[in-house]
Amino acid sequence: DAGVIQSPRHEVTEMGQEVTLRCKPISGHDYLFWYRQTMMRGLELLIYFNNNVPIDDSGMPEDRFSAKMPNASFSTLKIQPSEPRDSAVYFCASSPLAGGPGEQYFGPGTRLTVT
Amino acid sequence: AQSVTQPDIHITVSEGASLELRCNYSYGATPYLFWYVQSPGQGLQLLLKYFSGDTLVQGIKGFEAEFKRSQSSFNLRKPSVHWSDAAEYFCAVLSGGSYIPTFGRGTSLIVHP
Repeated sequence: DAGVIQSPRHEVTEMGQEVTLRCKPISGHDYLFWYRQTMMRGLELLIYFNNNVPIDDSGMPEDRFSAKMPNASFSTLKIQPSEPRDSAVYFCASSPLAGGPGEQYFGPGTRLTVT
Repeated sequence: AQSVTQPDIHITVSEGASLELRCNYSYGATPYLFWYVQSPGQGLQLLLKYFSGDTLVQGIKGFEAEFKRSQSSFNLRKPSVHWSDAAEYFCAVLSGGSYIPTFGRGTSLIVHP
């Protein structure tokens, strides 16, 4: 398996622009997670899905953030409008139910820079 | 609520020396415990996990960890560190019934030649 795939790997955008991050989870995994990592706050869970359904989005910082999972093989995280404080590395991770709770497989991340 | 503490922000060791990274958790019952490693520019990778049974668990890349209930700890060890082990290490805890682990802040491992 190719593992969790994220695109783009790097994104530089100007404040106010819309940003869309993409994720393809490992085939057969039931859970998908979006995380944000910064030096100041560490690794933060933004939202997670189970079988394409959003279960907990309490970590989404503001209404500017939205996430969708239209099917089992694709998810997006959108920021509109983007702000400099959104600069971070965003990770997507997937998890198989059969593998046991908490065992997560991370993508390589998208490094977002908002100027 | 579950929580996890990694008391060391940075650890520096010489190549070939032994390593121990500390992790303490807070949870009433026996939790599920994990160690992840993050190499520069990459995502987190699972090193090992503890669910139940033998309290000494073996992982990939020669790492092991020991669950000590009396100390609420799950320390990561390696007998001889290689330069390629330089990375960020995260301990994570999961309480029963949840699918969302809580991650520690991480320990940065620096390896001197």
